[in-house]
Amino acid sequence: GEDVEQSLFLSVREGDSSVINCTYTDSSSTYLYWYKQEPGAGLQLLTYIFSNMDMKQDQRLTVLLNKKDKHLSLRIADTQTGDSAIYFCAETGRDGYNKLIFGAGTRLAVHP
Amino acid sequence: DTEVTQTPKHLVMGMTNKKSLKCEQHMGHRAMYWYKQKAKKPPELMFVYSYEKLSINESVPSRFSPECPNSSLLNLHLHALQPEDSALYLCASSQAGTSGNEQFFGPGTRLTVL
Repeated sequence: GEDVEQSLFLSVREGDSSVINCTYTDSSSTYLYWYKQEPGAGLQLLTYIFSNMDMKQDQRLTVLLNKKDKHLSLRIADTQTGDSAIYFCAETGRDGYNKLIFGAGTRLAVHP
Repeated sequence: DTEVTQTPKHLVMGMTNKKSLKCEQHMGHRAMYWYKQKAKKPPELMFVYSYEKLSINESVPSRFSPECPNSSLLNLHLHALQPEDSALYLCASSQAGTSGNEQFFGPGTRLTVL
């Protein structure tokens, strides 16, 4: 079945890079997404990658996709306290483009 | 305008009440979604509307009744809810069809059922 897995917690020092990892099961997924959720707020779309790409960079964010291992990662360069949040990885479900399958979310804590 | 708005921000209701959640977007998106999110969990899809027609119902109990009166608005009517229905209810919108599914989320309505 469809499943997306993430580690639950990551702690980094301010100014360091953060790497959040995700594995997915559906090799037919066309798009893979990263969302950020701050406490009490909705989800903010950070970036996405099309499945025929290996890498995508957008300012401090770098997404790497390893299709063979079905592994997706999000690297945040120069992590700031404002980056503290929960980060969700998501893939498009087999039902079509209208359904997203979310991972459990990784809580990123940034400390001075 | 790249915003999805939701009202109210907070809602407290009794188990016999009837209330409605509202969602609005002006991005020209023709797909709209309702999600339920419990604390420390990912969002769970409830309903999808595509071109104002219900296309996905994830076996949601009938005490939740969605409505899409036009391409910009999405409602969720609530009746006879249970305390376990307390959660953050998120609305989202996206392009419809196969052009990619970047879903844009609203801030949510925090619902408490007493």
